[in-house]
Order: sequence, then C-alpha cells, then structure tokens
Amino acid sequence: NAGVTQTPKFQVLKTGQSMTLQCAQDMNHEYMSWYRQDPGMGLRLIHYSVGAGITDQGEVPNGYNVSRSTTEDFPLRLLSAAPSQTSVYFCATQRGGENTIYFGEGSWLTVV
Amino acid sequence: AQSVTQPDIHITVSEGASLELRCNYSYGATPYLFWYVQSPGQGLQLLLKYFSGDTLVQGIKGFEAEFKRSQSSFNLRKPSVHWSDAAEYFCAVTDSSYKLIFGSGTRLLVRP
Repeated sequence: NAGVTQTPKFQVLKTGQSMTLQCAQDMNHEYMSWYRQDPGMGLRLIHYSVGAGITDQGEVPNGYNVSRSTTEDFPLRLLSAAPSQTSVYFCATQRGGENTIYFGEGSWLTVV
Repeated sequence: AQSVTQPDIHITVSEGASLELRCNYSYGATPYLFWYVQSPGQGLQLLLKYFSGDTLVQGIKGFEAEFKRSQSSFNLRKPSVHWSDAAEYFCAVTDSSYKLIFGSGTRLLVRP
C-alpha cells in the first residue's frame, strides 16, 4: 500500500469527542475516498472526491465530514463521535481513467 | 442497484487442497471486478482484477478467477492452498467510476 498513508492507525474516543482521520497520497491521483469496514458488511463508501475542491457523499455519509483542499490530502472528520462509528476506516485513491483502486492500511477507531 | 454477494461467510479447507470462493454480482453493464485479500489487522491487498478480454485472469500468490457473464459470477480459485492463505477475501465491483461495491467477505480457514 505504498503511496497512501493513513494516520492514526489506532484511536480510542469517548462519545461526543471529535477527531480527524488523515489520509495522504503521493501518487497524484485525482480520486480519493473513505470506506468503513464493519463485520459481516464488507466495506462501505462514506465520502469521495474527484479532485481538489470537490467532494460528494457515498453510501454512509452521516456523522462524517470531508474536505479536499489539495490533491494529496483527504481528511475525514468525526464531529461528535458515536459508538456506531466504531469501525475500521480505509482511505483509497485512484488515478483518473484507470480502474485500480489503492487502499491505505486502515485506521482502527473505537468509540466508547 | 449494483450489488455483490459472497454466499460463504466461512470456508475451511485443508492445506494442499484446492479452493474456490464464490462471488456473484448484480450490475447492468459490463463490470470491473476485483478480488482483495485482508489478513488479520492488515489492510486490503489486490489479488487480481478483470476489466475485459480473457475471462480467466491470473493474480498474485497463485490465485486465479474466472468471469462468467452468463452466471454473473467471478469466482476465485487456487489449486493448492497454503496455511498463509488464511485471511478474509473480498469481491468487489465497479463501473468505470471510482466507487467500489464490496461483498461481505469470506473468511478462509486452513487446516494443517
């Protein structure tokens, strides 16, 4: 997964706290996205971006905000964490015109 | 709507035995299909992908998959399983865009 860096790898939050999951890529890919992975449900798309300044909602956007001020970075914000947001989060990137999606190594988030 | 079904939640095979993991998709046009593997606590690694052309695709680690349009399937196979293949396997589909739809995953257990 070289080229897609997620931080932090592990985080424990209390209900109501806010935090930001960082995603950075050095491959100059136009497309970036965030997925969450829950047991028995595979990965589901939260938000995505087709380029700097452009974001849109995926399948499960509620409770999350994103922004894309640069090509390289696509942070995911939890404004008021809830236990239902306990999950593993994956950032992904893709070059425009290609179909292979590259994933980061994941961020394990627990909300207590 | 696009969907991916992996009907087997768990599969157990003996080391050295052959393996087939099932994947069925629902999609109106020609899909782009992927298989990813995830080891415990790790991110997603792309095993193989199908975009067009030869319906039998070869991937890494000795895996292959066959696209069967008539059956809407993209089953993953390996002739001889190794203990290191124990992991969770995800089938995914996309159109020409950047949003993957994942199946719920199949966990492979390997008996010594």
